[in-house]
Amino acid sequence: QVTLRESGPALVKPTQTLTLTCTLSGFPLTTSGMCVSWIRQSPGKALEWLARIDWDDETYYSTSLKTRLTISKDTSKNQVVLTVTNVDPVDTATYYCARNAPYRTTCAGWFDAWGQGTPVTVAS
Amino acid sequence: SYELTQPPSVSVSPGQTARITCSADALAKQYTYWYQQKPGQAPVLVIYQDTDRPSGIPERFSGSSSGTTATLTISGVQAEDEAEYYCQSADSSATYVEFGGGTKLTVL
Repeated sequence: QVTLRESGPALVKPTQTLTLTCTLSGFPLTTSGMCVSWIRQSPGKALEWLARIDWDDETYYSTSLKTRLTISKDTSKNQVVLTVTNVDPVDTATYYCARNAPYRTTCAGWFDAWGQGTPVTVAS
Repeated sequence: SYELTQPPSVSVSPGQTARITCSADALAKQYTYWYQQKPGQAPVLVIYQDTDRPSGIPERFSGSSSGTTATLTISGVQAEDEAEYYCQSADSSATYVEFGGGTKLTVL
């Protein structure tokens, strides 16, 4: 069974760095075609894709946020980590990690499994 | 860049058919995916590659696409279908991902 579980601080102060962890189960990120993305949702707002990391360590970022994001993986723990630097109250959101559906030898553009999300508030 | 445009809300009575649209020039060349999100829950994929339904999704959910508009159709709407629905698309390498603004489906 494929599951993802996000964890991280519920509250961070402006200008700090936010670090979020996604723990994967049921699929190793080392397998060819496996990719994991981070997606966030501000209160009452739409979903926003942030970043993706692939089984081969390739990384991709949202154009608007790429200077503040870093995505990485720890294969020994089967975890994906997202850091967001210099946070601002506008970064207040529920952060989800999701698996890009495996498709042939790579990963697809849709998300077939999601974590339950972790809410983050940025406030002083 | 592009934006996926959805109507903010759609209302239907139980048993009727709900249609939710998603528009963008990019959809003429890219697939559309649809997610259902209920309050306090993570999104759930209901349609992928314009028309395909994941296992476990009821047959009343279907998708179509023509030109620059994709449509999610829910036939015989049930009370449990009341939710926010998001369309999503991506480029061929899935490295540029966009979500629509969401449509609130209300079952009257």
